[in-house]
Amino acid sequence: EVQLVESGGGLVQPGGSLRLSCAASGFTFSSYWMSWVRQAPGKGLEWVASIKQDGSEIYYVDSVKGRFTISRDNAKNSLFLQMNSLRAEDTALYYCARIYYGSGVSRFDPWGQGTLVTVSS
Amino acid sequence: DIQMTQSPSSLSASVGDRVTITCRASQSISNYLNWYQQKPGKAPKLLIYAASTLQSGVPSRFSGSGSGTDFTLTISSLQPEDFATYYCQESYSPPPTFGGGTKVEIK
Repeated sequence: EVQLVESGGGLVQPGGSLRLSCAASGFTFSSYWMSWVRQAPGKGLEWVASIKQDGSEIYYVDSVKGRFTISRDNAKNSLFLQMNSLRAEDTALYYCARIYYGSGVSRFDPWGQGTLVTVSS
Repeated sequence: DIQMTQSPSSLSASVGDRVTITCRASQSISNYLNWYQQKPGKAPKLLIYAASTLQSGVPSRFSGSGSGTDFTLTISSLQPEDFATYYCQESYSPPPTFGGGTKVEIK
């Protein structure tokens, strides 16, 4: 079974840091692009960052550029999101998602259960 | 960046109803359009990709159509387990963007 399990969320003060992890299983992790997608409380979905199979290409949403760093460890089937200089508006449930490419179209499938990040003093 | 606009933002419907949700892109995205279902407290689940291809295991009452800028998700006969929020997402060019969501509630 393909599975993604996030961890590392919690309560952090504005300006603080947090590192999220996503453990992948049930598929060849090193063969897929991976992403982080977040959802603020009661709001919609927002893509945050994506990383290529070997880490050679990385993309971020403008609002997190310079503050967040996505990375991966293919030997450990793990995806990470280092979050620095956190702001209140970063408060959200952070999902790890595999980017599946087929039939000419990429999509997020599957998703983890999410880990909650709360930025508050 | 491409903007995705969903309508309506919410709707009330009864079991057995036919439900249609619309998603419009700010520019042509061919068929690079996916639909997701999210139930309360759960992660999103892929329903349809490439505008009209049903993801494996998704009931056939769900269907998608459209190309270019206008897309539709249809539930032919709404079931109790279909009450959820639905999101469209374009994958035409980075960054990938989502529509604002359509919440389907019980009437």
